[in-house]
Amino acid sequence: EAQLVESGGGLGQPGRSLRLSCVASGFTFDDYALHWVRQAPGKGLEWVSGISWNGVTTGYADSVKGRFTISRDNAKNSLYLQMNSLRTEDTALYYCAKDGCSGGSCSLSNWGQGTLVTVSS
Amino acid sequence: DVVMTQSPLSLPVTLGQPAFISCRSSQSLVHSDGNTYLSWFQQRPGQSPRRLIYKVSNRDSGVPDRFSGSGSGIDFTLKISRVEAEDVGVYYCMQGTHWPFTFGPGTKVDIK
Repeated sequence: EAQLVESGGGLGQPGRSLRLSCVASGFTFDDYALHWVRQAPGKGLEWVSGISWNGVTTGYADSVKGRFTISRDNAKNSLYLQMNSLRTEDTALYYCAKDGCSGGSCSLSNWGQGTLVTVSS
Repeated sequence: DVVMTQSPLSLPVTLGQPAFISCRSSQSLVHSDGNTYLSWFQQRPGQSPRRLIYKVSNRDSGVPDRFSGSGSGIDFTLKISRVEAEDVGVYYCMQGTHWPFTFGPGTKVDIK
């Protein structure tokens, strides 16, 4: 079964940077797109970013475009999210999620437990 | 971006009774490949989201058969045929046809 384990969360100051990581196991990593989804305290789910199986195609929510960068290392079964110019509204639990479609992009079939990012001075 | 709406946002239900959650998209979710990438997720208190349904009506492995999905185009429904205590939580629809993926606001299901 697919497993996803996030790390890298913590306290960040406004304007500074954090880097999140997600290590995957239990599936053929380079067959699937991957995504980051966040959930602010007491709020709903927000898709943040996605990356194709080969890293060629990436997408971002308007709220993070130009500040966050998604990347992956297929040799290490790892997904990353570089978060720059942090804002207080970036405070959330960040989930790594595996796409449900092999070779494409269509859904979020498996989720990690999340890593908490708190942005505060 | 595709806007997803859900109704109701709060759904108190009686154990053993059915529950229905509606989801509507601002544009058709039919992909150029012919599939409709509408999923439903359950989030129990303190847990990560769990996918229940994909491509409108396909149940994920291990999901009880009291959960079913239906719909087409822009209108979709999640049905719980007989609500059990473990079904308490927030339910989200999500479209994966168009990037960026977008979620509905969530429907909170609790027991009367």
